[in-house]
Parts: sequence; structure tokens; C-alpha cells
Amino acid sequence: DGGITQSPKYLFRKEGQNVTLSCEQNLNHDAMYWYRQDPGQGLRLIYYSQIVNDFQKGDIAEGYSVSREKKESFPLTVTSAQKNPTAFYLCASKLRERMNTEAFFGQGTRLTVV
Amino acid sequence: SQKIEQNSEALNIQEGKTATLTCNYTNYSPAYLQWYRQDPGRGPVFLLLIRENEKEKRKERLKVTFDTTLKQSLFHITASQPADSATYLCALVRGSNYQLIWGAGTKLIIKP
Repeated sequence: DGGITQSPKYLFRKEGQNVTLSCEQNLNHDAMYWYRQDPGQGLRLIYYSQIVNDFQKGDIAEGYSVSREKKESFPLTVTSAQKNPTAFYLCASKLRERMNTEAFFGQGTRLTVV
Repeated sequence: SQKIEQNSEALNIQEGKTATLTCNYTNYSPAYLQWYRQDPGRGPVFLLLIRENEKEKRKERLKVTFDTTLKQSLFHITASQPADSATYLCALVRGSNYQLIWGAGTKLIIKP
């Protein structure tokens, strides 16, 4: 079955630690996205990538970094510079960036700072 | 700034009745609008897309309307069932790169 896989489902981070969230898709989609979801707020865009080896900052990129070395993979690193990282992180993909098509989401990773 | 508002209070509906959810937006003129369903602890799932020149779109028990004058979209579920209980998100397409701006969602509870 085609889809997007995020791992891990739950992640705990200590203060000052970097952590990496995995996102893999086998839909052959060009565009991939990382969102952050907090209670009572809409999804906020962290980073997006239209094509391999290219990515752009979204609305809340500070304290995060990404890479897109393969079409299928778009990992997100939450760095120690992100002061409030506790949230639900969602990875999504779309066939092409500049198309009004549906977005497909992974199951999410819940990150908690301990 | 662009703003999307969905009712933050949960909507409680009796099974079998029609549930109607509202999505209002300001400072924006989107060409497209999408609705998604999100279950607890899961990612959103796409339901329907409507264009600005479409007044209404239907899919099985779902119906979406798009009023660009009122800057509002309504999402209807007819003959509602407990399995329809979830949070429903609206998203507007932004700019030439078709990025999405998201509402916070409305939690729908269908009571048997």
C-alpha cells in the first residue's frame, strides 16, 4: 500500500538535545511538507520541499532543519535552538508543489520535552 | 493578516441528524478550499475540495458549500453516525504555489 510513514510515533527529548523525526513516502510525490500542530491552532508550516536537494522555510522554521537527499525521504531535525518543541508533528506530501491536489499525511510524531 | 476561523467549541449532534460545520476566512480570496478529517492522534485525511466557481460539492453523505461573498464555507454531514465523530479541518489554498493555510478545526461528536 502506498502512503507516508512517520517514525517514531512518540519521542521524548531532553533539554539541549537534537532529535530527528523520520518521514518516508512511497507515493512518488515530488512535494513534501512538515507541519506542527498545537492545541487550538491550525497546522503551521515548518519546511517544505518541491524537489530533491531543495527545500524552503515555512512560517515557523526557526529551530528546525531538514534535508531532502532522496525523493522518498524528508527528515526533520528539532534542534536545541527550538525553545518550545513539545507538539504533534505531521509530515505530508503532494504530487506536485504547484498543484491544487490533496495532501497525504503520515500518522504523526508526538514530541515531548522531558 | 490572513485568518481562518472554525468553531473552537465541540459540536454535539444526535445520530441521524445533519451536522453543519463552519469555516470563515478574512483578508483573503482563495481560489480553492479543502476539508479534512482528523481522528485523535492521527494525521488528517482529505475529504473534499471545492473551487471558488463551484457553489456546492457533494460526496456521498458529505456536502460542502463555498460562498466567496460571505467568505465562508459550510461542511454538512447528513444522516450522521457515531463513526463520523472526529475533528474536521478546513484549509485554504494560498498563492501561486498552492500552499495550504489551516483552520484549527472543529470537533464533532455524534451521540447515539
